[in-house]
Amino acid sequence: QQQVKQSPQSLIVQKGGIPIINCAYENTAFDYFPWYQQFPGKGPALLIAIRPDVSEKKEGRFTISFNKSAKQFSLHIMDSQPGDSATYFCAAKEGSQGNLIFGKGTKLSVKP
Amino acid sequence: DAGITQSPRHKVTETGTPVTLRCHQTENHRYMYWYRQDPGHGLRLIHYSYGVKDTDKGEVSDGYSVSRSKTEDFLLTLESATSSQTSVYFCAISEVYPYGYTFGSGTRLTVV
Repeated sequence: QQQVKQSPQSLIVQKGGIPIINCAYENTAFDYFPWYQQFPGKGPALLIAIRPDVSEKKEGRFTISFNKSAKQFSLHIMDSQPGDSATYFCAAKEGSQGNLIFGKGTKLSVKP
Repeated sequence: DAGITQSPRHKVTETGTPVTLRCHQTENHRYMYWYRQDPGHGLRLIHYSYGVKDTDKGEVSDGYSVSRSKTEDFLLTLESATSSQTSVYFCAISEVYPYGYTFGSGTRLTVV
């Protein structure tokens, strides 16, 4: 049973475009929603995270939008660059004792 | 990745042989995790540890065992490797707060 559903599976955008990656969840007890970025041959690295008491969080060119009622959250990358080409994972966690549950990932390619 | 080391980085082994992967951390974090990453499946939790000698099963634990005799080391053992266990294995560490996980660089395991 997949608890965090991520889409799309892959995404191609031109440099300067705004790719959007979406995730949906069912467990209303989730209270921490991070995004991870993974480059080939490397482990995932924490990019940005949000808690359900806020609707948006920005860090540089990366923004998380959170819709608690719809149980959805998304990652937006402003002014995307070829260096942003990577696989992105959303995740969710329940409380301090819960484990991170990951989406299946989105492979982003930003064309020059 | 700073503070967390996985060994070996690559391994090829034969079906039926036992294999042990090692995760070593220098951060003194309480929690340690083993994930496997496969195309189309994202990151799936195998086992995790919440302290020395305290471990529990994750989503895909069949065929795997773990041990944690010291805070800094978390071992993953494939008792009798099968081709379905060909994968990239990631170790991660975290503390109670903040929640973010730090991942190692991974071990690529091929079972032939």
